[in-house]
Amino acid sequence: GQQVMQIPQYQHVQEGEDFTTYCNSSTTLSNIQWYKQRPGGHPVFLIQLVKSGEVKKQKRLTFQFGEAKKNSSLHITATQTTDVGTYFCAGDSGTYKYIFGTGTRLKVLA
Amino acid sequence: SQTIHQWPATLVQPVGSPLSLECTVEGTSNPNLYWYRQAAGRGLQLLFYSVGIGQISSEVPQNLSASRPQDRQFILSSKKLLLSDSGFYLCAWSVPRYEQYFGPGTRLTVT
Repeated sequence: GQQVMQIPQYQHVQEGEDFTTYCNSSTTLSNIQWYKQRPGGHPVFLIQLVKSGEVKKQKRLTFQFGEAKKNSSLHITATQTTDVGTYFCAGDSGTYKYIFGTGTRLKVLA
Repeated sequence: SQTIHQWPATLVQPVGSPLSLECTVEGTSNPNLYWYRQAAGRGLQLLFYSVGIGQISSEVPQNLSASRPQDRQFILSSKKLLLSDSGFYLCAWSVPRYEQYFGPGTRLTVT
């Protein structure tokens, strides 16, 4: 079945450092979504990418969808303590179901 | 605006007892509905999804079942809970191919 892997599993950074998480799908995706889950909370939608090679920015966050639509990345510039949480990608292969990645847990040290 | 409700927020149940978790959505029609389970410190496992009333797709064979008796109501059930059923259960809705909105979740501990 379809699998979505994320690396790294954990990342500790000093406040102000950059952070990147990578997402890789075993199958081609029709679109990919990114979510953030704060400790003890539920996932909250960040963004959706649809087009091959698409790049979108939200303030300090940059999202990219690979040319083959099988991988994606999230890059945070100059992390802040408010960025703490687990970041998930979720891929839709066109069947209305989303397979979530394994997640990257980010800890920001002040 | 759309709202998603889940209850209860926390639940402690003995092994072998039944389970019923309810999720309701307000402010939208014919949403796609999803049930996920998240083990502590882990990712989200898709359990069931539904694209319409009475239409349920099961992703993981187990002792759980789901039903959608009304357009905006999604129920997760079990006849006999196992220890391995413990986890954080999340309901979500979406318009097809758009973002998912998650409910607050139910933390289930099976003892």
